[in-house]
Amino acid sequence: GENVEQHPSTLSVQEGDSAVIKCTYSDSASNYFPWYKQELGKGPQLIIDIRSNVGEKKDQRIAVTLNKTAKHFSLHITETQPEDSAVYFCAAGDYKLSFGAGTTVTVRA
Amino acid sequence: EAGVAQSPRYKIIEKRQSVAFWCNPISGHATLYWYQQILGQGPKLLIQFQNNGVVDDSQLPKDRFSAERLKGVDSTLKIQPAKLEDSAVYLCASSLEGPTYEQYFGPGTRLTVT
Repeated sequence: GENVEQHPSTLSVQEGDSAVIKCTYSDSASNYFPWYKQELGKGPQLIIDIRSNVGEKKDQRIAVTLNKTAKHFSLHITETQPEDSAVYFCAAGDYKLSFGAGTTVTVRA
Repeated sequence: EAGVAQSPRYKIIEKRQSVAFWCNPISGHATLYWYQQILGQGPKLLIQFQNNGVVDDSQLPKDRFSAERLKGVDSTLKIQPAKLEDSAVYLCASSLEGPTYEQYFGPGTRLTVT
């Protein structure tokens, strides 16, 4: 089955700086790569996703890149704000999703 | 539109007892998922339904866990008997079609087994 590894497990950034989270996956058949944000006491919420036929996707301050050859994808958050503080999960799959272990992001004011 | 509803939000039981969780997905969503999220880990898929049918239950401990989705809408997940290691948040999610469509998660049920 699919195995997704996510790094780092924790990330502390100064407000206004950028944050980068990286994930690798094992199954070359995976073709869908979403990123979820989870706030305390809530379920995960999709923030951006990318499919295997695209190398990069951007939505305002959030961008995701995908390297299918190397089987890794990354989340980039620019101009971080305190409300970006949360746990972020990457996932990969096609007929089902496997999630990474999560990255706790803290944005320092 | 209304989100995914789950109940109860919290449950505390003793080991060897049974427990059931309920999920009401977003109207019109064909696919429903149950995930187990242990503290500090990512969600792990337990079972995935497409309408009434099971698409994947490869990680469901079938000796103690069971799930059903009646009439392709609501779903229940049951644990009998519970073990200490079942302490986790149980998340229900739904999507319009399969997993490559956006999954909408409910708030989860936090289960504590003592």
